[in-house]
Amino acid sequence: GAGVSQSPRYKVTKRGQDVALRCDPISGHVSLYWYRQALGQGPEFLTYFNYEAQQDKSGLPNDRFSAERPEGSISTLTIQRTEQRDSAMYRCASSRGDSYSTDTQYFGPGTRLTVL
Amino acid sequence: GQQVMQIPQYQHVQEGEDFTTYCNSSTTLSNIQWYKQRPGGHPVFLIQLVKSGEVKKQKRLTFQFGEAKKNSSLHITATQTTDVGTYFCAGPYLSNDYKLSFGAGTTVTVRA
Repeated sequence: GAGVSQSPRYKVTKRGQDVALRCDPISGHVSLYWYRQALGQGPEFLTYFNYEAQQDKSGLPNDRFSAERPEGSISTLTIQRTEQRDSAMYRCASSRGDSYSTDTQYFGPGTRLTVL
Repeated sequence: GQQVMQIPQYQHVQEGEDFTTYCNSSTTLSNIQWYKQRPGGHPVFLIQLVKSGEVKKQKRLTFQFGEAKKNSSLHITATQTTDVGTYFCAGPYLSNDYKLSFGAGTTVTVRA
C-alpha cells in the first residue's frame, strides 16, 4: 500500500475485554514500531520489531500488553483485560530498517481506543 | 532516563509573523528529528539533524542542532495557515537509535 494502515481506526470496548489492534506497514519495510500517544503528548515508544523478531519490548506498560509480527509484515498489538487507563491513540510506524540512525519512520493513522 | 522537553507548549501566531520553538534534551543526542502532526492527523517526518551546529532549511522552516547536541530549534518565517499543527522533536536513546523519545510538542495556531 501507499502508507502504513491500521485497523480498526476506532475501538470502543468495555473494561475487562481483550482487544487486538492491527498494523499493516509499508511494503518492504523491515522495521515496525508501536507507540502510544496520549492527548496533548508526543508518541511514547512501546515495542520494536526487526522482521518478525521483537527486538525491544521495554516500553510495554505491563504484561497485559503483547505484540507479534509472525511473518515479518502485519503486526498485532493485543491488550488483555483492558482498563480505563489504556484509553489512548495507538500508533504504528514502519521504516526501511537499513540504518537506525537515519531511518525515517512513517506513521499510520492510529487506532483510537476507548475503554469504558 | 532521557527526556526531551519542548517549549512553548502552545504558540499563537499572527499570519505573516515569525516564531521559534525549542527542544532540549537531558542527554547528548546522536541526532534530532522533527515531525509535524496536523489536527486529526498523524506525525509526519520533516527532517533529521546529525552534526553539531547543523542548520537545515526547508522553504520557510529553519532547523538547527545545538553545538553540544543537546538542544534544537525550529524557526518558521512568515507563518501561514498551512503551518497549523503540532511540531514534535524526537531524539534516539543513546544505545538504541531506533527507540525515539518524543517531546510533548508545540501546538501552533495561526490568526489570519
